[in-house]
Amino acid sequence: DAGVTQSPTHLIKTRGQHVTLRCSPISGHKSVSWYQQVLGQGPQFIFQYYEKEERGRGNFPDRFSARQFPNYSSELNVNALLLGDSALYLCASSLEAGHFNEQFFGPGTRLTVL
Amino acid sequence: DAKTTQPNSMESNEEEPVHLPCNHSTISGTDYIHWYRQLPSQGPEYVIHGLTSNVNNRMASLAIAEDRKSSTLILHRATLRDAAVYYCILRKGSRGAGSYQLTFGKGTKLSVIP
Repeated sequence: DAGVTQSPTHLIKTRGQHVTLRCSPISGHKSVSWYQQVLGQGPQFIFQYYEKEERGRGNFPDRFSARQFPNYSSELNVNALLLGDSALYLCASSLEAGHFNEQFFGPGTRLTVL
Repeated sequence: DAKTTQPNSMESNEEEPVHLPCNHSTISGTDYIHWYRQLPSQGPEYVIHGLTSNVNNRMASLAIAEDRKSSTLILHRATLRDAAVYYCILRKGSRGAGSYQLTFGKGTKLSVIP
């Protein structure tokens, strides 16, 4: 079975631009979470979506937004990119949104902002 | 929110047991202890979790102190493939804010020596 897939794998943008990252969860999983991982740090939670509704939001500015589609795939959008947005963006899926649900992570999208 | 403290790094010889400690002195009664690991160039993967009793699965064992203020992840025979960053995470066992996401620290970087 296919795991969590993310696209693109790498991306280079310049300051001020906009970026859209995509995630396809494991088949049957209804919840998707997004994390940002800066080099040398652990992943930091950005959003969780379940059944197309936002269930949790981390401490990130409004430049970050996300949505989940009827097929449970998800997009993360970042506007007005800053140098500090350079990071590995990880998507994780789980069967449901509850705390008992193991999260399965994709390989991430490496974003570089110049 | 309760925090976890882990050593920055540890070393182990191949095929020897490894004990990875985690302190969580402010853990609440409903917090579950989760361990994830992140292999180089990959997203994190679930290892094990527990509440009060020790837990075993095919990957590892989790030993939880009686007062729950600390725990130890045990890899019974370290292999080169176990070289990774190991994260000890407290996950709220109740619904509501904070119960859905994983809050990662910096983790412990485990090196396995052949």
